[in-house]
Amino acid sequence: SQQGEEDPQALSIQEGENATMNCSYKTSINNLQWYRQNSGRGLVHLILIRSNEREKHSGRLRVTLDTSKKSSSLLITASRAADTASYFCATDASGSRLTFGEGTQLTVNP
Amino acid sequence: EAQVTQNPRYLITVTGKKLTVTCSQNMNHEYMSWYRQDPGLGLRQIYYSMNVEVTDKGDVPEGYKVSRKEKRNFPLILESPSPNQTSLYFCASSFRTGYGYTFGSGTRLTVV
Repeated sequence: SQQGEEDPQALSIQEGENATMNCSYKTSINNLQWYRQNSGRGLVHLILIRSNEREKHSGRLRVTLDTSKKSSSLLITASRAADTASYFCATDASGSRLTFGEGTQLTVNP
Repeated sequence: EAQVTQNPRYLITVTGKKLTVTCSQNMNHEYMSWYRQDPGLGLRQIYYSMNVEVTDKGDVPEGYKVSRKEKRNFPLILESPSPNQTSLYFCASSFRTGYGYTFGSGTRLTVV
């Protein structure tokens, strides 16, 4: 079953702009993770935020988590063409698996 | 280089012909898992393993088998593949549960 749902499904922006993607989920979680996937390739782990954290930064990435609203957002600042990819949120609710959403397709135009 | 290695990258096979997709990690990770990715259905977990000799079913285990005899290897076995197993398969590993996953590059399987 799909726990996380990303919004929007697709996002197209210009280089230098910020990109914001949102994720909603249904049950209590231990942590939430964000991954990037370039077309047909393996997923790459970007950032993990635990349920007792509200915000986390890594380079140009900023992730927030609101457990009361069961939602998270991923902000990519000063986007580059190389950021073009699909972005997935994944929730860890049981400790035995990650449940992935269907992703947001981000296109950054040069 | 720390990585998860899957083989083969591409495979076309016929219905009913047993096949194995190998997965190996060099990070001494305890946790390993298999996912399949299908358009409109996203990534779904097939099987996972918490450690050597400890495996369990994920969301879509039917038609698949796994084994974890060594910490580094976690092969996925399709005893009698069918066309509905045509998919993109990913192996992933993690230091332990509660940590980020490292994914392999994927195996694109076509069953005709």
